[in-house]
Amino acid sequence: AQSVAQPEDQVNVAEGNPLTVKCTYSVSGNPYLFWYVQYPNRGLQFLLKYITGDNLVKGSYGFEAEFNKSQTSFHLKKPSALVSDSALYFCAVRDINGYNKLIFGAGTRLAVHP
Amino acid sequence: GAVVSQHPSWVICKSGTSVKIECRSLDFQATTMFWYRQFPKQSLMLMATSNEGSKATYEQGVEKDKFLINHASLTLSTLTVTSAHPEDSSFYICSAGEFGESTDTQYFGPGTRLTVL
Repeated sequence: AQSVAQPEDQVNVAEGNPLTVKCTYSVSGNPYLFWYVQYPNRGLQFLLKYITGDNLVKGSYGFEAEFNKSQTSFHLKKPSALVSDSALYFCAVRDINGYNKLIFGAGTRLAVHP
Repeated sequence: GAVVSQHPSWVICKSGTSVKIECRSLDFQATTMFWYRQFPKQSLMLMATSNEGSKATYEQGVEKDKFLINHASLTLSTLTVTSAHPEDSSFYICSAGEFGESTDTQYFGPGTRLTVL
């Protein structure tokens, strides 16, 4: 069965420090992977995606993610966290059964402290 | 990125009434739109996939007669919650997709918070 796991409910980081939000996936074949961010009472904003090509994907707001096929991971990273990065982050994989549906992880709340 | 709007952003209604939520893709044509609901501090749950000009495809456990979806044009899909009850109170989010050889991204609307009294 296809699935996405975000093992951490919450990640706490000091401003200026690097951050990592973890994501692992389980899907047969080549995965299409996505990261979205959600601010309170708002919809999701697209951050970045991996479909093919370079394993290191750069996205919006200085975020990047590394696709690791052997570890089936797609961790989200940023070299220097900002307080404004505090939000809910979702990892997703496209459903291989078609219709371009996305399967979302449970979400990880990132809290960046001044 | 592409822009998707939703209207209204929030709505409060009495139990038993119906509520319509609109989802529009503003700068691209979306043959496929998706409707999700999200409970507090939880992930998004896909309710249905809306295809322009055809019937929506509902996920298991989602009542199609309760949540009516219409995708009348390439830029507009609507979700109608019929005979709403307090348990239907939730945050409803739509998305519209650009799918092709070099694009494969869903863009999400800002969400609609429904409160049924």
